[in-house]
Amino acid sequence: GAGVSQSPRYKVAKRGQDVALRCDPISGHVSLFWYQQALGQGPEFLTYFQNEAQLDKSGLPSDRFFAERPEGSVSTLKIQRTQQEDSAVYLCASSFQRPPAYEQYFGPGTRLTVT
Amino acid sequence: LAKTTQPISMDSYEGQEVNITCSHNNIATNDYITWYQQFPSQGPRFIIQGYKTKVTNEVASLFIPADRKSSTLSLPRVSLSDTAVYYCLVGENYQLIWGAGTKLIIKP
Repeated sequence: GAGVSQSPRYKVAKRGQDVALRCDPISGHVSLFWYQQALGQGPEFLTYFQNEAQLDKSGLPSDRFFAERPEGSVSTLKIQRTQQEDSAVYLCASSFQRPPAYEQYFGPGTRLTVT
Repeated sequence: LAKTTQPISMDSYEGQEVNITCSHNNIATNDYITWYQQFPSQGPRFIIQGYKTKVTNEVASLFIPADRKSSTLSLPRVSLSDTAVYYCLVGENYQLIWGAGTKLIIKP
């Protein structure tokens, strides 16, 4: 079946522009996660949704980052007034389980380059 | 949150068994141990998860000693396509710390 999809796969933004990154999780998956991955590093947690509820946004690096999942399926990560340090791969993952023991299914990521 | 330590890189050859050890001295009682694999330009892929002793699935085995302060991912008879970064994660919830992982290179 279809896995997690993300769009766009690549995004180039000029410093100061707003961007929106989309995640389509696997149908029926309750949990949804966003991560930021810098080159050569492991993913860093940004935020977690259980259905439409954003239960944790403690990993969002600044108030320029905003995530939503209004109907409990598709999620959007928005970054306002992008800065060069926002350049990274943004990964979305979903899971049909709830923590603690669960398997996350990751999308291919969106590579954001801020120039 | 328990921190993990694993080798930065490892080399092996096709057909060999590869063991990657991860140390997690501060593991808590409720923590699970999970391993993911990541290829370039792809998201991580779940390999295996365990709590204690040994877990085996179709792709790997996970060995966890009684004190749970370390774990070993075992990949039997690796092939070139197993070249990837392998992450060891420890935690009971979604806020897991992902280190830089172990870059495994399989040679012909």
